Amino acid sequence: EAQVTQNPRYLITVTGKKLTVTCSQNMNHEYMSWYRQDPGLGLRQIYYSMNVEVTDKGDVPEGYKVSRKEKRNFPLILESPSPNQTSLYFCASSLHRDRVNNYGYTFGSGTRLTVV
Amino acid sequence: AQRVTQPEKLLSVFKGAPVELKCNYSYSGSPELFWYVQYSRQRLQLLLRHISRESIKGFTADLNKGETSFHLKKPFAQEEDSAMYYCALPGGKAAGNKLTFGGGTRVLVKP
Repeated sequence: EAQVTQNPRYLITVTGKKLTVTCSQNMNHEYMSWYRQDPGLGLRQIYYSMNVEVTDKGDVPEGYKVSRKEKRNFPLILESPSPNQTSLYFCASSLHRDRVNNYGYTFGSGTRLTVV
Repeated sequence: AQRVTQPEKLLSVFKGAPVELKCNYSYSGSPELFWYVQYSRQRLQLLLRHISRESIKGFTADLNKGETSFHLKKPFAQEEDSAMYYCALPGGKAAGNKLTFGGGTRVLVKP
């Protein structure tokens, strides 16, 4: 089944403890992106990647890192999580970086992160 | 800068009644807009996209460039339509090909 897979689905951690949320897609999609979803603020883009080894900041990149060593994987790294990073995170992908207008995104199931 | 506005945070309608979710955008180019739906505790799913002129699950949306709107409509709401709905605007290469989302509208269809 074509999909975007995120792990874990739920995570509770403590302030300052490094964590990684994994994202993998099996559709050979070129474009991948991370969003966070917060009540009243909607979805905001954190980072995106146009292709392998090509990443760039979105609207709210502070406190996050990403990497794109392989086409299928796009992990989100929080080096020193803080409570204001408590949120629902979505990974998304699109077939071609220049065709987002046509195809939109395919989303993962989300990761609910709580930082205490 | 591109922006998407969904003025209603909550829409409550009775089953069988029409429902219209408003979406207004600001964008300098020719927009290609999407509607996404998020059922409780599930991922966002593409509901429909302007470029394909589709009608899915009875929903339609018309792009009105004069009013810069892309309102989502359904003539007869069903209980299974209860969900969060997001309007989204792709920004093109200059904006990193990101989708900008509106704040979302929660639809509650009452029996």
